Amino acid sequence: GESVGLHLPTLSVQEGDNSIINCAYSNSASDYFIWYKQESGKGPQFIIDIRSNMDKRQGQRVTVLLNKTVKHLSLQIAATQPGDSAVYFCAERWWGQGGKLIFGQGTELSVKP
Amino acid sequence: DAGVTQSPTHLIKTRGQHVTLRCSPISGHKSVSWYQQVLGQGPQFIFQYYEKEERGRGNFPDRFSARQFPNYSSELNVNALLLGDSALYLCASSLEGGESTDTQYFGPGTRLTVL
Repeated sequence: GESVGLHLPTLSVQEGDNSIINCAYSNSASDYFIWYKQESGKGPQFIIDIRSNMDKRQGQRVTVLLNKTVKHLSLQIAATQPGDSAVYFCAERWWGQGGKLIFGQGTELSVKP
Repeated sequence: DAGVTQSPTHLIKTRGQHVTLRCSPISGHKSVSWYQQVLGQGPQFIFQYYEKEERGRGNFPDRFSARQFPNYSSELNVNALLLGDSALYLCASSLEGGESTDTQYFGPGTRLTVL
């Protein structure tokens, strides 16, 4: 069925530590994945994306890893800051129906000072 | 540069009424998608429009409809509102539509409450 699931609903880390948020996807035919950050009362904000012909992509303080063998995606945030506190969603683009995004439930990241 | 804008910000309706939500995409973007986000869940795809044509539709009843205008802005209409329609309605725009991998950028959403 249509599902992109997250392993952990909540994650609490100390400021300055690295954070890892995991995601499992179900459609082996999907070839484009995106991570979004959503702060309370706001719309999802694009963080980073990755195509299935890659297994790693780095941005500013963020890294996305893709393991197609086990259909697993992760987001690593280096030196986590209080401003990183939010809900993080992974999304999978499905071909057909306009290339809709399938989102998981999200992981709430809480950064302790 | 202005991002995706949506109006209104908040809306309260009663069961049976209808509602129209509006979205203006990022300048130069030709595709608009609509999502429903129920509290505590991820967004669920409703529609995608590209060049004024519907390119995709999610598993939502016919009470939900949308359209895109020549200036690429869009409206989402919901008729015969139910309590379960209470949600954050998100609009996302991208350069192209269909099967491209253009990034979808989201607006702040419209919070709809149905009483």
